[in-house]
Amino acid sequence: QVQLQQWGAGLLKPSETLSLTCAVYGGSFSGYYWTWIRQPPGKGLEWLGEINHSRTTNYSPSLKSRVTISVDTSKNQFSLRLSSVTAADTAVYYCARGGYCTGSSCYSSWVDPWGQGILVTVSS
Amino acid sequence: DIVMTQSPDSLAVSLGERATVNCKSSQGVLYNSNNKNYLAWYQQKPGQPPRLLIYWASTRESGVPDRFSGSGSGTDFTLTISSLQAEDVAVYYCQQYYSTPYTFGQGTKLEIK
Repeated sequence: QVQLQQWGAGLLKPSETLSLTCAVYGGSFSGYYWTWIRQPPGKGLEWLGEINHSRTTNYSPSLKSRVTISVDTSKNQFSLRLSSVTAADTAVYYCARGGYCTGSSCYSSWVDPWGQGILVTVSS
Repeated sequence: DIVMTQSPDSLAVSLGERATVNCKSSQGVLYNSNNKNYLAWYQQKPGQPPRLLIYWASTRESGVPDRFSGSGSGTDFTLTISSLQAEDVAVYYCQQYYSTPYTFGQGTKLEIK
């Protein structure tokens, strides 16, 4: 059974860079897209972006200039960096598994499973 | 971006009664090539990550009780709980995975009346 465990700094100051990492245990790592989603306190879910083992990325246009998702296939880990954070970036950040790839073709898919989430607070 | 709009924002239903949540997409999420609707439903309880309930608009995830069902096609979708149980109190989200960014609805909060 695939499990995702995530970690990173939980308190940042405005203008700093958010950095989170998610490790994938069990199951195939290379056959999927790996995804970041966030949820501001008391609000809904926002899809941030995804990456596959070939380092093909898709980002939300609203954050594209500030988001970088990377992958370390040797460790079955993927990471999120969000630059120049403000209070509006305060949220629970989730890592999750998304689409899948077979051979040279990749396909979109629902999100499952999810990591436990980590609250990142941006405050001066 | 495809905008997902859920209705209602909140819903109170008596135990044992039917609960219905609607989701409308700003453009169709049905792929003609495979005749599948790229629409999923999730349940989220406080302090927990979302849980996948339904994918392909109507396929129930393994382990999800059969009182949960999904229907609809194109731009209009429905999540139905046939007989509400106390443990179903949660926020429910729809999501389209037809095109990036894979957007979510704003959520529907389901409570017991």
